This record gives sequence, C-alpha cells and structure tokens, in this order.
Amino acid sequence: GENVEQHPSTLSVQEGDSAVIKCTYSDSASNYFPWYKQELGKRPQLIIDIRSNVGEKKDQRIAVTLNKTAKHFSLHITETQPEDSAVYFCAALGGGGNKLTFGTGTQLKVEL
Amino acid sequence: GAVVSQHPSRVICKSGTSVKIECRSLDFQATTMFWYRQFPKQSLMLMATSNEGSKATYEQGVEKDKFLINHASLTLSTLTVTSAHPEDSSFYICSARDGAGLNSPLHFGNGTRLTVT
Repeated sequence: GENVEQHPSTLSVQEGDSAVIKCTYSDSASNYFPWYKQELGKRPQLIIDIRSNVGEKKDQRIAVTLNKTAKHFSLHITETQPEDSAVYFCAALGGGGNKLTFGTGTQLKVEL
Repeated sequence: GAVVSQHPSRVICKSGTSVKIECRSLDFQATTMFWYRQFPKQSLMLMATSNEGSKATYEQGVEKDKFLINHASLTLSTLTVTSAHPEDSSFYICSARDGAGLNSPLHFGNGTRLTVT
C-alpha cells in the first residue's frame, strides 16, 4: 500500500518568514495530493491540493509543488502569520483510487 | 460548500458499553464514507471504508466485529464501537467525498472525542 512520509515533525518560524513542509510517497500510481490544516481538537481542513498532471499550484500565500519523478511534494507558506500555527498533514490518493493515506503531520508554530 | 456533520462531538462511556457515532453528508450524497481514528499528536489512520448498501471494507488490524459500520443511506454512515475499552479512547473522524470522481475533495466531520473510563 501507499506510504507517506512527512518532514519536519515540528517547525518554528518567525512571523513573516516562509515555511516549507515536505512529503514523499511510495506509490508511483498516486495521482492526487491534498494538504490539510488541523487546529487542536478540530477537523482537518483542506487548504490546497494538486493533481499529478500539474507541477505547481498556488493560492495566495500557499503553494504546493509536485515532483512525480522523485515522488515528493511540498507545501510552501509565505509571509506566515500567527493564525497559520496548526498541524499540517499531507496526503496521497493511491493508485487504487479510493484511499487517502496521510503523512505523520507537522506542527507549525509561527512566533511573533 | 459541502458539509459533513458528525455526532456526538464528545462522549464519555464506561468500559464494556457500546457507543454509536453518526456521520451525515448534509448537502450531497455520498456512496462512500471513510472512518479515521486519530490518537493524540498522531496522524489520521484509516479504519474502514463505508459503502452504501454493502459491507464496509476494513483496514488491516481493525476488528470488524468491534467497530461496526452501517451505511444504510446515501447521506448517513454510523460507526458503533462495541464493548469499548480505555484503549479505544481516541478522536474518531468521518469523511465523505463530494463528487463521483476519485479525486473529488474529501470533507471531514468535526470528529468525536471518545473517552472510555
């Protein structure tokens, strides 16, 4: 089955700096890669996603890149703000098409 | 946007009792729903895939007789934790895909915090 690894597990940045979270996946047939933001005790919220036919996608301060050859994808948050502090999960939809496998999560802390 | 409603949000039960959690898609039909479990500071682990009108598909290591799933309609799936024990205490989250395509966005319920005493 699919295996998704995520790094780093914790990340502290100063407000206004950029944050980068990286994930790798094992199933070369995976074709959909969403990113979720989860605040403490709440549901994961989809913040951006990318499909395998696209190399990069941007939405305001958030961008995601995908390297299919290397089987890794990254989340980039620019001009970070305190409200960006949360746990971020990457995920990959396997080649079987139905199951979403999550990474281990990154605790992002944006400090004033 | 698509909304997935999950109830209850919190439940405390005694060891040995059963707890039912409901997951509803409010403004779309979901032939497939997913049940996840999340332990503190850990990732979401898929427990089972709930299929409307048929048996659920369980992930390896998840006991189907302990975690009963019923998906009787296109908008409702239920997870029953039977004979709950303290080690079952966790955050249970359901999700449903909005749209027929396998790449359609996955929307999550608010989760249920289960505490077994």
